[in-house]
Amino acid sequence: DAKTTQPPSMDCAEGRAANLPCNHSTISGNEYVYWYRQIHSQGPQYIIHGLKNNETNEMASLIITEDRKSSTLILPHATLRDTAVYYCIVRTYGGATNKLIFGTGTLLAVQP
Amino acid sequence: ETGVTQTPRHLVMGMTNKKSLKCEQHLGHNAMYWYKQSAKKPLELMFVYSLEERVENNSVPSRFSPECPNSSHLFLHLHTLQPEDSALYLCASSQGPTRGTGELFFGEGSRLTVL
Repeated sequence: DAKTTQPPSMDCAEGRAANLPCNHSTISGNEYVYWYRQIHSQGPQYIIHGLKNNETNEMASLIITEDRKSSTLILPHATLRDTAVYYCIVRTYGGATNKLIFGTGTLLAVQP
Repeated sequence: ETGVTQTPRHLVMGMTNKKSLKCEQHLGHNAMYWYKQSAKKPLELMFVYSLEERVENNSVPSRFSPECPNSSHLFLHLHTLQPEDSALYLCASSQGPTRGTGELFFGEGSRLTVL
């Protein structure tokens, strides 16, 4: 699986958009980009994933660059409850299992 | 509520004890996972089961023994643990790619302290 690079921490003001970057320059053509988050001492929560098109759901938007070497997770209106560690993971999807390897992620602190 | 339930939520045990962690998923998934999260470290994948058969064991010490009796239940049997095994143990489940998105659904975790 391709390696990802994320900033260790970011701050965001409550009500503003939070833009979390992820670099995955060695991504291959059949690898998806997944985003999860982990609120303190809870299990990780799936947010969104995509292959090459931009994706949006009720939680967030995922913007993937045309060359697929980087992506950005956007939380449109961050709240205090969005304070968490956000993980960007690149993974081939299609097997019977989905063995996600988590890195250190980005600690997003939403400030009041 | 994610549909994945772990018990107990907290466990304190001595190094000579034998205990078990239990995970149950109510989502109809066919793959289950154990992850370990030590303090200030990334999640580490320990075991993976698909259709009740273990498909991955990431060099986990034998003092951790997984059991998957059916597709809804997963156990982690613990014996003669060390203090460095103190961690948050997370269970997850997923569905194969023919249905769903392959996303993992995690339980809330079992916080283990080894004295």
